[in-house]
Amino acid sequence: DAGVTQSPTHLIKTRGQHVTLRCSPISGHKSVSWYQQVLGQGPQFIFQYYEKEERGRGNFPDRFSARQFPNYSSELNVNALLLGDSALYLCASSFGNDGLINTEAFFGQGTRLTVV
Amino acid sequence: QKEVEQNSGPLSVPEGAIASLNCTYSDRGSQSFFWYRQYSGKSPELIMSIYSNGDKEDGRFTAQLNKASQYVSLLIRDSQPSDSATYLCAVKRGGYQKVTFGTGTKLQVIP
Repeated sequence: DAGVTQSPTHLIKTRGQHVTLRCSPISGHKSVSWYQQVLGQGPQFIFQYYEKEERGRGNFPDRFSARQFPNYSSELNVNALLLGDSALYLCASSFGNDGLINTEAFFGQGTRLTVV
Repeated sequence: QKEVEQNSGPLSVPEGAIASLNCTYSDRGSQSFFWYRQYSGKSPELIMSIYSNGDKEDGRFTAQLNKASQYVSLLIRDSQPSDSATYLCAVKRGGYQKVTFGTGTKLQVIP
């Protein structure tokens, strides 16, 4: 079975540009979450989507936005890129949203974004 | 106070020994607890999940949870050089899927 797939794997952008990162969850999973991980830190929660609705938002500026499509894939958009946005962006897929069971999150390989 | 705290390490153990990784959390409403392993330059890989007090064993790994003390740990028995990685503790409240991660503990298993 295919795991969580993210594209692209690496990306170099210039300050002020925007970027779109894509994620396809594990088949049958309906929840997608996005995380930002900078070197030496744990992943930081950005967004969670479940059944195409935003269910959670972390402490990130409005330059960050996301959406989930009917096939449960997701996009993360970042506008007006800053040097500090350089990080590994991780997508996590899980079956459900509520309760304890079936909410284990499985990560994709990540997108390494470098802003120059 | 950080929401999830881990000793950054590195924790060095000889091959074949038991590695003990610890994590404390601040939110008493937390209900789900996870350990992830992350190799350098790679994404986190789920090792264990635990939801109730006590021990949970899976192969060489044992997760321990004490909600009263707000403490969760991971024991790795018969440590192997391939276990050398950063181990992330993650905590989630019930309901929506915000998972809060610690900064990770770097484990080095010395052959």
